[in-house]
Amino acid sequence: RKEVEQDPGPFNVPEGATVAFNCTYSNSASQSFFWYRQDCRKEPKLLMSVYSSGNEDGRFTAQLNRASQYISLLIRDSKLSDSATYLCVVNAHPPSSNTGKLIFGQGTTLQVKP
Amino acid sequence: DTEVTQTPKHLVMGMTNKKSLKCEQHMGHRAMYWYKQKAKKPPELMFVYSYEKLSINESVPSRFSPECPNSSLLNLHLHALQPEDSALYLCASSQDGSGAMNTEAFFGQGTRLTVV
Repeated sequence: RKEVEQDPGPFNVPEGATVAFNCTYSNSASQSFFWYRQDCRKEPKLLMSVYSSGNEDGRFTAQLNRASQYISLLIRDSKLSDSATYLCVVNAHPPSSNTGKLIFGQGTTLQVKP
Repeated sequence: DTEVTQTPKHLVMGMTNKKSLKCEQHMGHRAMYWYKQKAKKPPELMFVYSYEKLSINESVPSRFSPECPNSSLLNLHLHALQPEDSALYLCASSQDGSGAMNTEAFFGQGTRLTVV
């Protein structure tokens, strides 16, 4: 089982649509969680951190459910510029290590169409 | 400033060459990472340095040799690579390597490496 799992998509949605991405992780000791965005042939860029209480940044809302080991990202009122790959990232410690490592899901591709 | 700078942006090297990739950050971050990314795949962790010490090596072949000369710099020395090592090599840094809350990582633009 992969440490971080995402539906790769692609998700093809019209402008203005609401779209939700889900992610599950296997290491219950994971401590921090993020959504990154990656455009074609560019580096990943931090979109938002994810907190248990849920957090919102404009049109983007992220949720964490530690009990179910599940992370979500909701994008409202999709724009053409939201087209990208969205990567779920979990920071977890390997056994006997005090250093965390960022583990990436395989990414979910979003294509917003006019 | 959340900038991580990588050089070179592109590199073509032969299988007998020795080259180095460089990464620099001035955010005072104490954890630095090397990732490898193939097309249409997520980044895969190679190495983690925490407080200038190698903390994690994800069983990377010895033809890749990391080095952390100081807290701002991270190098990746390449020697006798294979064509399948062609990929985007990404450097990242975070405040620390503890994995505690809010230790988000910032990525450089990457070095696109082609081995011929």
